[in-house]
Amino acid sequence: GNSVTQMEGPVTLSEEAFLTINCTYTATGYPSLFWYVQYPGEGLQLLLKATKADDKGSNKGFEATYRKETTSFHLEKGSVQVSDSAVYFCALNQPDSWGKFQFGAGTQVVVTP
Amino acid sequence: NAGVMQNPRHLVRRRGQEARLRCSPMKGHSHVYWYRQLPEEGLKFMVYLQKENIIDESGMPKERFSAEFPKEGPSILRIQQVVRGDSAAYFCASSPSDPQETQYFGPGTRLLVL
Repeated sequence: GNSVTQMEGPVTLSEEAFLTINCTYTATGYPSLFWYVQYPGEGLQLLLKATKADDKGSNKGFEATYRKETTSFHLEKGSVQVSDSAVYFCALNQPDSWGKFQFGAGTQVVVTP
Repeated sequence: NAGVMQNPRHLVRRRGQEARLRCSPMKGHSHVYWYRQLPEEGLKFMVYLQKENIIDESGMPKERFSAEFPKEGPSILRIQQVVRGDSAAYFCASSPSDPQETQYFGPGTRLLVL
């Protein structure tokens, strides 16, 4: 079946540091891939997405590239801010089960001043 | 342009009571999805609905849980005879007519069963 694996957190880093959150997936066919962010006490917000191999999603300084050869969709940001502290979820949406998003367990990121 | 609305935001129930969670999708969205998030875990798919139809309920527990999305009004997730293990955050999401589109999430309902 489909699955999404994320690196475990918490990830703690200083302001202006480089952030990478690894995400790999298992799926048949060609899923769409997403990163969502959840701030404390809130729902999930779409951060970025990619719908086909080699696509790069980007938003608010975050980037992720859909790598089919390595089945990965790692999230990166070159210089984090305290306001980036949140839980980040990688997710996929599979063509043969559209609507049933498969989420990773989430990675908590803590950015200190 | 209001986002996905959920209410209540917080709900406390005693074991054996019923919990009703409401979700109003974004304007123009006809697809609704419910997910459950247990503490320290990711979201797990529960059910996918369109107006008056359940499309996929493969993630719903077989007993006590039901969902509907009537022609008029919000989608309802109903949990009968709640137990402590039902304590979780329940998120609703919606998407436009095409289910492969991005899902937009509501703020969630945090259910606590005493």
